Amino acid sequence: DVKVTQSSRYLVKRTGEKVFLECVQDMDHENMFWYRQDPGLGLRLIYFSYDVKMKEKGDIPEGYSVSREKKERFSLILESASTNQTSMYLCASSPRDTYEQYFGPGTRLTVT
Amino acid sequence: AQSVTQPDIHITVSEGASLELRCNYSYGATPYLFWYVQSPGQGLQLLLKYFSGDTLVQGIKGFEAEFKRSQSSFNLRKPSVHWSDAAEYFCAALGGKLIFGQGTELSVKP
Repeated sequence: DVKVTQSSRYLVKRTGEKVFLECVQDMDHENMFWYRQDPGLGLRLIYFSYDVKMKEKGDIPEGYSVSREKKERFSLILESASTNQTSMYLCASSPRDTYEQYFGPGTRLTVT
Repeated sequence: AQSVTQPDIHITVSEGASLELRCNYSYGATPYLFWYVQSPGQGLQLLLKYFSGDTLVQGIKGFEAEFKRSQSSFNLRKPSVHWSDAAEYFCAALGGKLIFGQGTELSVKP
């Protein structure tokens, strides 16, 4: 089975802190994605990556950055956390030539 | 703009009753279509997908969906709902990138 893991299920941070959310997949997938999920808004794409060291902005990249130094790992970085970044963050991966994305369990981030 | 709409935010059905969750898309061409389910505290799991061919697709857990080009719809159905089906359901369309609907929360009454 494909497994996508995220470093934390719950995280509480203070405004202004730098926050790292880690995602690891074990199926050698080329594509990796970061979404945030908010009630009534569904999932919105923050960033994605098609290969190591490559990244593309999604629909809502402001306030976020990403890092992909290894194929299996895709990190989401909040440079200076703000309360409006309180949300559920979901990581996903997919093979290069298919369209089925596999999701991790999510990290619920609260910024106070 | 490309979009996916799930008109129902919350639906309650009785256990054993049939279920239909609605999904409409707005794209220039027919996109690839998906239904995902999210149980409480979990990530998303793919239920089924439509790329082309037969417009009635079967998925896991007894779910099916029908693609109707004329209505730009991809509704999810299940003939008999089980209490364990209570979850949030997301329709998604891929036309370059994956775009999700707002989600429909399903509650199941005993």
